[in-house]
Amino acid sequence: GQQLNQSPQSMFIQEGEDVSMNCTSSSIFNTWLWYKQDPGEGPVLLIALYKAGELTSNGRLTAQFGITRKDSFLNISASIPSDVGIYFCAGPGAGDYKLSFGAGTTVTVRA
Amino acid sequence: GAVVSQHPSWVICKSGTSVKIECRSLDFQATTMFWYRQFPKQSLMLMATSNEGSKATYEQGVEKDKFLINHASLTLSTLTVTSAHPEDSSFYICSARVGTLYNSPLHFGNGTRLTVT
Repeated sequence: GQQLNQSPQSMFIQEGEDVSMNCTSSSIFNTWLWYKQDPGEGPVLLIALYKAGELTSNGRLTAQFGITRKDSFLNISASIPSDVGIYFCAGPGAGDYKLSFGAGTTVTVRA
Repeated sequence: GAVVSQHPSWVICKSGTSVKIECRSLDFQATTMFWYRQFPKQSLMLMATSNEGSKATYEQGVEKDKFLINHASLTLSTLTVTSAHPEDSSFYICSARVGTLYNSPLHFGNGTRLTVT
């Protein structure tokens, strides 16, 4: 699979704050996916992006597909305690049916 | 939305025994399912691609004789960890795509926590 660099690795945020995380790849991606994983559970799809420049929202979440097709970011606005978890970016490289995953961003919210 | 069901959610077994994990697509058919392994505080690592009606494709470094995969129907794939050892203890997660497009998102099961004593 492709190599994805996700940052930050972890973050402590205050409830109500906006947070941002991003993912970069060394090669072009045709699709960017963002997942959230709660402890002891499987990842749940948050947002799927299919076009360079695409900006998509899902409630308080917003994600963008970078123009270069080598990066994507995820924003969480007005964070709440249930936003705690690990967020993964993922995507199949061009012509690849397998998903590559970033290392994950662990979000902890301080009440 | 698409639902993938995985069973059991956790299992404890003795060293040397075999454990079977089931992955079902509940509301769609999946010709391909994927098995991942996740160690604590790490990302998901693809182990193998399960193909309905044919042999699974294993990633480099994954022993096919140790991790037996069977995809006998369009809604069921099984992973059997044979002769389990403590180092096989991990979180195993299956996933499947709705449709056949290579870039359709994967939907994941809830994972199986395997502990080998």
